[in-house]
Amino acid sequence: EDQVTQSPEALRLQEGESSSLNCSYTVSGLRGLFWYRQDPGKGPEFLFTLYSAGEEKEKERLKATLTKKESFLHITAPKPEDSATYLCAVQPTGNQFYFGTGTSLTVIP
Amino acid sequence: GAVVSQHPSWVICKSGTSVKIECRSLDFQATTMFWYRQFPKQSLMLMATSNEGSKATYEQGVEKDKFLINHASLTLSTLTVTSAHPEDSSFYICSARGGRTYGYTFGSGTRLTVV
Repeated sequence: EDQVTQSPEALRLQEGESSSLNCSYTVSGLRGLFWYRQDPGKGPEFLFTLYSAGEEKEKERLKATLTKKESFLHITAPKPEDSATYLCAVQPTGNQFYFGTGTSLTVIP
Repeated sequence: GAVVSQHPSWVICKSGTSVKIECRSLDFQATTMFWYRQFPKQSLMLMATSNEGSKATYEQGVEKDKFLINHASLTLSTLTVTSAHPEDSSFYICSARGGRTYGYTFGSGTRLTVV
């Protein structure tokens, strides 16, 4: 059964304290793994797409990596404005997406 | 970049009435759009896939007659919640395939409250 699990469920960091969010997946095939940021009451905002194991992508303080079983979203020296829920989604085949339940990140000044 | 506009952003309706939510792709054509539902502190659950010019494909457990989807053009899909009840209160989000994100840009969501 296709499944996506994110951990931790919630994470509190001091400003400048780097950390990583995890997305573990079990799917029959992988067309793509997506990371989104979601602010309260808003739709998800696209961050990255990863297609194959070993791939890495960076954007400002965020870096996403992918292995055959999991993806990490590394946050370097976070700022309070990075506070949000980070969602991971996998696309096995076709148009179906499977979302994780997200990691709620709070960065304290 | 690809932009998906969703309206309204919030709506309050009386139990038994119907509510229509619009999802528009502003700068690209979307042959396929997706409708999700999200409960507080939970992830997005796909309700249906909307295909331009054909019937929508609903996920298991989603009532077709309750959640009517129309995708009449390449830039517009609508979700109508018919005879809404308090348990239909939720955050509804649309997504469209197109643009630079390898397909999946999300709207800003609609908060539906049924009283």
